[in-house]
This record gives sequence, C-alpha cells and structure tokens, in this order.
Amino acid sequence: GAVVSQHPSWVICKSGTSVKIECRSLDFQATTMFWYRQFPKQSLMLMATSNEGSKATYEQGVEKDKFLINHASLTLSTLTVTSAHPEDSSFYICSARDLWAASHTDTQYFGPGTRLTVL
Amino acid sequence: LAKTTQPISMDSYEGQEVNITCSHNNIATNDYITWYQQFPSQGPRFIIQGYKTKVTNEVASLFIPADRKSSTLSLPRVSLSDTAVYYCLVGAGPNNAGNMLTFGGGTRLMVKP
Repeated sequence: GAVVSQHPSWVICKSGTSVKIECRSLDFQATTMFWYRQFPKQSLMLMATSNEGSKATYEQGVEKDKFLINHASLTLSTLTVTSAHPEDSSFYICSARDLWAASHTDTQYFGPGTRLTVL
Repeated sequence: LAKTTQPISMDSYEGQEVNITCSHNNIATNDYITWYQQFPSQGPRFIIQGYKTKVTNEVASLFIPADRKSSTLSLPRVSLSDTAVYYCLVGAGPNNAGNMLTFGGGTRLMVKP
C-alpha cells in the first residue's frame, strides 16, 4: 500500500530555534498534503493544506509566518516551525492524497508523525 | 463539513464484538463516512469507508442506515492489540480532489484480557 514517511520522527530543540519536518510520499504522487497537530489526549487538528507548486492554505488561527509550508514536488512537503516555543511542543502528522487513486476508497495516507519538544 | 459525535470511551474484553456508533446529523449528499484507527504516537490508519448500507473488509464492517445520519463501526472478536482511538470522519468522498479531513474527538477503546 501507499506509504508516507516523516523525518525526523522526533526532535528536541531550544526555544527560539527553527525546526523543519519533512513529509514524503514514497510510492505515489501527491498534489495535496495536509499538516495536522495533535496535543496529548486530544484529536488531530488540521493546520494547513499544502498544494504542490502553490501557497499553502492555513486554517483559522494558524500563523502562516510561524508555520512555513513548502510543497516543492509531488512527493515532498515540509513544515518549518520558526522561532519555536515550548507551547509549540506537539505531535505533528502529515497526510498525502494519492493523485492517481481517485477511484479508490483510501486515497489519503498518514505519516507516522513527528514528536517536537521545545525546551 | 459535517460534525461527528462519538462516545468518548468504550471498554471491551478479548474475543467480543465491539460496535462504535457515530452520529453525523448534518451529513451532505456527497459525503462519505470514513473510520480511522490511531495508536499512541502514530499516525491514523485507514480502517473502512462507506456511503450507504453495509461495507465489510478483512478487519471491520461499517453499517450505515438509510438516512445516513449515523454509522456503526463493528470490530469482530477484538484482541488486546485493538486498543486504540477510533475516529469517525465525514466528508467528500474518494472522487473529490483536495479533500481534507476534520477529526472529531474519537472513541478511546480499551480491550481487556
């Protein structure tokens, strides 16, 4: 089946630094990728929709200048948390939609997530 | 996007059948119903998707009544490894480009020995 990877799987950084998280679709092309954030014991919250070759669409309340999203190719989207603070500590999950699987039921695949801890 | 309501948590025992019901009163005509499973510190995993009546695959069944205002995920003979959070999502189906998923609270299933 379709596989989505994320790198790194976990990261610890100091407050004020920037962290980049990569999301890759390994065996399919994805024109659209989504970024979610999940706090402990809570559900996933959609942060933004990433479209290949265009600007990302951010959900209300998500700062686009803080969470920079780049979708430079059909298999890679990156999320950069700029000037990270402890309150940005969370589990970040991406998902990718298979461009060519429009007729299949499971067209959106999730990555394993990245645990970010900001000290 | 239609809002979903699920029980916050459920307990079961190994070998039992578990049915998790989700309410989605405002489901739209072109909305599909999808269920995902999530283990701690992992991304959600697709379980099953349906539009109406009944859908069955190798891991679960999905029952959808005629009015489509609710759906029930049925897990036959659960094991300890089925302990997870189960999310019911309602949204545009597989043929709609750019579909995004809105996650509700999910149901935390605890399977006991």
